[in-house]
Amino acid sequence: GQNIDQPTEMTATEGAIVQINCTYQTSGFNGLFWYQQHAGEAPTFLSYNVLDGLEEKGRFSSFLSRSKGYSYLLLKELQMKDSASYLCAVRDLSGGYNKLIFGAGTRLAVHP
Amino acid sequence: GAVVSQHPSRVICKSGTSVKIECRSLDFQATTMFWYRQFPKQSLMLMATSNEGSKATYEQGVEKDKFLINHASLTLSTLTVTSAHPEDSSFYICSARADRVVSYEQYFGPGTRLTVT
Repeated sequence: GQNIDQPTEMTATEGAIVQINCTYQTSGFNGLFWYQQHAGEAPTFLSYNVLDGLEEKGRFSSFLSRSKGYSYLLLKELQMKDSASYLCAVRDLSGGYNKLIFGAGTRLAVHP
Repeated sequence: GAVVSQHPSRVICKSGTSVKIECRSLDFQATTMFWYRQFPKQSLMLMATSNEGSKATYEQGVEKDKFLINHASLTLSTLTVTSAHPEDSSFYICSARADRVVSYEQYFGPGTRLTVT
């Protein structure tokens, strides 16, 4: 089966750095995604990792360790608009299907 | 590019009626589309994978006779919630994967808020 764990809620201060962790267990791993979702809206793509290491994209970076089943999303220079849910999702090829399985999401609150 | 639309954005229906939600990829072709459901403060739960020209693949626990999926063309998939009940009230989101040689990204529609009274 599949299991994706991430913290339920986090708070941080404007201008600071926050790291959101995600651990996963899946038999057909083929990449890990991070999405941002504001309340009542659809998720928007942030990053994709399929190989071990760090991917940097502006204020956001994402790290993957396949041997540990672990990823994190790093947000720098936090802004108030970064208050949202951050969804970790694993692409799973088990069973012959290519599908995206989401974690429960981490609600991040950025305060002044 | 890579825009996915959904219609309607919000719908209120009475218990026992059926509701159809459309998902369109506006500027790309998508052999595969996905339907998710999201309850408040919860994550997206995959309901089914919609394949153009063939039957949808439903996730365990999702009733295929209640949630009818049709993938009529490379740019359109529909989800029909039949005999809706209040517990079907949720946020339904579709996504599409572009048919490119190298494609890993799924593009999400804006979602449809269904309220069953």
